[in-house]
Amino acid sequence: NAGVTQTPKFQVLKTGQSMTLQCAQDMNHEYMSWYRQDPGMGLRLIHYSVGAGITDQGEVPNGYNVSRSTTEDFPLRLLSAAPSQTSVYFCASSAGQGSYEQYFGPGTRLTVT
Amino acid sequence: AQSVTQLDSQVPVFEEAPVELRCNYSSSVSVYLFWYVQYPNQGLQLLLKYLSGSTLVESINGFEAEFNKSQTSFHLRKPSVHISDTAEYFCAVFSNFGNEKLTFGTGTRLTIIP
Repeated sequence: NAGVTQTPKFQVLKTGQSMTLQCAQDMNHEYMSWYRQDPGMGLRLIHYSVGAGITDQGEVPNGYNVSRSTTEDFPLRLLSAAPSQTSVYFCASSAGQGSYEQYFGPGTRLTVT
Repeated sequence: AQSVTQLDSQVPVFEEAPVELRCNYSSSVSVYLFWYVQYPNQGLQLLLKYLSGSTLVESINGFEAEFNKSQTSFHLRKPSVHISDTAEYFCAVFSNFGNEKLTFGTGTRLTIIP
C-alpha cells in the first residue's frame, strides 16, 4: 500500500502559468480533499470529493479546479497561477461512512514568481 | 459553523519536562476531535482521536488528550517530552454534517530544548 501519493514534490511557476497537482490513493477511499498550508493559518480546505463524479468547494476554492473521474485520483488544477497561491498543498483521503481519520500525502511545495 | 483555536503558536519546552498544547473548539453540534502531528518536511499524521466513549484518549508515543465538553476543549499533554517530539501539532474538529470536512487550528510548533 502506497497510501496517498502526490506529484510533483516541488514546483516553481511563473505568474499566469497553469498546472495540475496530482493526487492518488490506493486504499479505495471514497472521500478525498485538497488543503493548502500557509504559515500561521493552519490547513485550509480548497476542494473535496465524496466519491467519483462528485466534488464541492471548500473554504478557499478560488483559482482552483478539481475533478474526480475515478475513485483513485483527485487532481487539483491551477488555472492561472498567482503569487498568492505560493503554498504547500496536501491531498488527503478517508474511507468515509463513519471512518473519520484522514490520511495525508507528503505534500507539494509550490512557488509562484 | 465550527472553528478551532490553538492559542499558542510556539511552545518551547526543556527535554523531559511536561507539556500541554491547548485546543478549544466551537460547534453547535456533536463533534469528533483529532490531533495531527507534522514532523519537519513531512505530511500530517494522526496522533490521536476522540469519537465517543472515554473522554481520555492516548497515543502510542505517550501523548494523551482529554475531551472536555463543558469547556469545549481538547488539550494535548505529555508528562515527559523527548527531542523526537519536535514537530508542529494541529488540532482538528469534525462535525457530523454528513460530509468529511475537517476544520484545523492554526497549529502549535513544539520545540524541545536539550
